[in-house]
Amino acid sequence: GPKVLQIPSHQIIDMGQMVTLNCDPVSNHLYFYWYKQILGQQMEFLVNFYNGKVMEKSKLFKDQFSVERPDGSYFTLKIQPTALEDSAVYFCASSSSQGAMEQYFGPGTRLTVL
Amino acid sequence: GDSVTQTEGQVTVSESKSLIINCTYSTTSIAYPNLFWYVRYPGEGLQLLLKVITAGQKGSSRGFEATYNKETTSFHLQKASVQESDSAVYYCALGEGGNEKITFGAGTKLTIKP
Repeated sequence: GPKVLQIPSHQIIDMGQMVTLNCDPVSNHLYFYWYKQILGQQMEFLVNFYNGKVMEKSKLFKDQFSVERPDGSYFTLKIQPTALEDSAVYFCASSSSQGAMEQYFGPGTRLTVL
Repeated sequence: GDSVTQTEGQVTVSESKSLIINCTYSTTSIAYPNLFWYVRYPGEGLQLLLKVITAGQKGSSRGFEATYNKETTSFHLQKASVQESDSAVYYCALGEGGNEKITFGAGTKLTIKP
């Protein structure tokens, strides 16, 4: 079936540095999402993105977070600067249309902030 | 806000026996959310198992089924006869429609005993 790829699979970074998580969504999809899962906790919605704009974001999507998809390339989540509490697995997802009711998820990027 | 509760963090079932994984939901933002079961097999990404968007209806896939019960706000996952290949983590989830922010339960790890 359709695949969402995430690069890298694991990233270790020092607190205060910037990190960019990359997502390669399903090729004809137009809606993109990021979710965050802290170890031992539920996966939680961060943000969704369509047509170059953030459509909705949760309270977890702090000011230090930003998303973009320049020129149809990777859909990225940037954290600048990182904090210890940003350590988590970040999952990217994409869907073909609004209310498509099926989001395709990537395998996740494990971010460790030291 | 919205929430999804899965009471069992881990379930162990003998092969060929029946299975039920409990899920209840609560939502303040929408009367009739879309309901999903997602599954993560070992070493793989999250994938949609089944979905139901209409209250009272049943969804089914790969021998699993779940009924959208708006009276009890439940969406329990059942299977009559499990196989070893069903070992995975199962997530109950709800979506609001529209931009389809998904709210996940904590997940239930299913282990099948041979």
